[in-house]
Amino acid sequence: EPEVTQTPSHQVTQMGQEVILRCVPISNHLYFYWYRQILGQKVEFLVSFYNNEISEKSEIFDDQFSVERPDGSNFTLKIRSTKLEDSAMYFCASRTEQGSQKLFFGSGTQLSVL
Amino acid sequence: DAKTTQPPSMDCAEGRAANLPCNHSTISGNEYVYWYRQIHSQGPQYIIHGLKNNETNEMASLIITEDRKSSTLILPHATLRDTAVYYCIASISNFGNEKLTFGTGTRLTIIP
Repeated sequence: EPEVTQTPSHQVTQMGQEVILRCVPISNHLYFYWYRQILGQKVEFLVSFYNNEISEKSEIFDDQFSVERPDGSNFTLKIRSTKLEDSAMYFCASRTEQGSQKLFFGSGTQLSVL
Repeated sequence: DAKTTQPPSMDCAEGRAANLPCNHSTISGNEYVYWYRQIHSQGPQYIIHGLKNNETNEMASLIITEDRKSSTLILPHATLRDTAVYYCIASISNFGNEKLTFGTGTRLTIIP
């Protein structure tokens, strides 16, 4: 079965540093998402992306965050200047046709900000 | 999206059917019921969804009451690998880019 691939699986960074989390969605999918989950808390929506632009973003997704689909296969989440509270598991997801919320999630990147 | 209510935790014996309830009394006519699960901090995994008819796939069955105010996810023969947090989500499924909003779910523990 096709799957969403995320790299790296773990990322450790210093506060204030920039990080880029990478995702390769399933190849024929059209809609892309980032979610995050702080340890012990809910899975939270960050941003959705369609047709090369952001469709919706949450309050969490402030100016420090950006997303990009640079080459038609990768989908990246950049955090410009990381904070301690950005430590979380970040999940990428994608889906295909309109009219369905059947999302395929990657296995996540565990980001630790020290 | 309509609010859903699930019990925080449940146990089920291995090999038995696991029945996970979900209340969604304010669900609107165009909202589907989706079920996902999350096994030990892995990415959530889609299980099944439905609008008003009962649905079955290779993973589970979904029973939706006639008034659509509640539903039950059934795992027919639970195994230890079914231990996970199960999320019931009501979401509009139409032309658009609606996000899924995850609640706290039900932590299902399968007991050997």
